[in-house]
Amino acid sequence: GNSVTQMEGPVTLSEEAFLTINCTYTATGYPSLFWYVQYPGEGLQLLLKATKADDKGSNKGFEATYRKETTSFHLEKGSVQVSDSAVYFCALSPYNFNKFYFGSGTKLNVKP
Amino acid sequence: DGGITQSPKYLFRKEGQNVTLSCEQNLNHDAMYWYRQDPGQGLRLIYYSQIVNDFQKGDIAEGYSVSREKKESFPLTVTSAQKNPTAFYLCASKEWEQPQHFGDGTRLSIL
Repeated sequence: GNSVTQMEGPVTLSEEAFLTINCTYTATGYPSLFWYVQYPGEGLQLLLKATKADDKGSNKGFEATYRKETTSFHLEKGSVQVSDSAVYFCALSPYNFNKFYFGSGTKLNVKP
Repeated sequence: DGGITQSPKYLFRKEGQNVTLSCEQNLNHDAMYWYRQDPGQGLRLIYYSQIVNDFQKGDIAEGYSVSREKKESFPLTVTSAQKNPTAFYLCASKEWEQPQHFGDGTRLSIL
């Protein structure tokens, strides 16, 4: 079956610290992988994606690399800002993109 | 601007009442989805529709119903059979082989 496992939060960092949020997946076939971000009281916004093994998705200083050998898609950012405080969701979609499977979300708190 | 509009943002329901959540998109997307999000948890799929006049149950469809009479609209009805309806409801849409786009959600509470 298809599933996504994320590290539990909350993650609390100081501004300019390095961020890693772990995500591993189980999937049949070759899924596409995504990171979404949710700010308080809002819907989810696509942050980045990768559609095949070894692809690196990047956006707004965030990066994640599709690692087929370790079935992982960890989110990283070199220097976080207070404005990055949000909940981050890892997700996968099987080859046909009909359905998405989301992790439970990881809350990030960045302190000044 | 193209996007997904969910209304209302906050909704209150009395015990035993049905209530309908609106989702409208002007992105010309074929597929639309409804998710439920509980505090501190991920998204669970309620229903989805890949084409007008067709929809499929997701993982937690019991106590919910949907319709897809128009491409741009996918309303969700929370029926009295849903025993724990208090949650944040998110609507999404997508085009073939593209990521999902989300609305800003409706927060439903029981009075």
